[in-house]
Amino acid sequence: SQKIEQNSEALNIQEGKTATLTCNYTNYSPAYLQWYRQDPGRGPVFLLLIRENEKEKRKERLKVTFDTTLKQSLFHITASQPADSATYLCALDVSGGNKLTFGTGTQLKVEL
Amino acid sequence: DAGITQSPRHKVTETGTPVTLRCHQTENHRYMYWYRQDPGHGLRLIHYSYGVKDTDKGEVSDGYSVSRSKTEDFLLTLESATSSQTSVYFCAISDPGLAGEGSYNEQFFGPGTRLTVL
Repeated sequence: SQKIEQNSEALNIQEGKTATLTCNYTNYSPAYLQWYRQDPGRGPVFLLLIRENEKEKRKERLKVTFDTTLKQSLFHITASQPADSATYLCALDVSGGNKLTFGTGTQLKVEL
Repeated sequence: DAGITQSPRHKVTETGTPVTLRCHQTENHRYMYWYRQDPGHGLRLIHYSYGVKDTDKGEVSDGYSVSRSKTEDFLLTLESATSSQTSVYFCAISDPGLAGEGSYNEQFFGPGTRLTVL
């Protein structure tokens, strides 16, 4: 079955540094991969989508890479701020029809 | 925020009782989903709908049923709640063909319902 792995340990970084989160998957070749942000007590919010033929996608301070050979996506937040503290989820459409399978998420804490 | 509401937002019930959670959207999106979120498991798809009266099972559908009689409403029913169904439930919507980069398959989530089954 499809497995999506994200680092379950919280990532603590200092303000201004670049945060890098990892999403690894197995047993599938997805057409695209998505990243969401989730704050405590709230629903996930879509951030970025990257397609299989795209190596990199940027949006403001966010950058996502997608290596279909390694079956891995990296999510970067540059010049991180305390407001970036949240849990970040990656998601794949493994069976078509926009039915997403989510990783368990990585909690990011940006400290002053 | 996308126009998605969930009700109730919190519910405590006893084992064996029926429970219905409601998701209401004002975006006229065709696709609607129910997920549950538990520590260590992340978000898991329970049921989904591609349109009125068009529903199908997701990854963890046992013990749950859904109905969609109107575009804007998607109901999730626990016929006989069990303690293993204690969770946070999220509704989501999407619509293929929306204009804009990245929005084609973006899902918008509701605020969630915290359900406790004693």
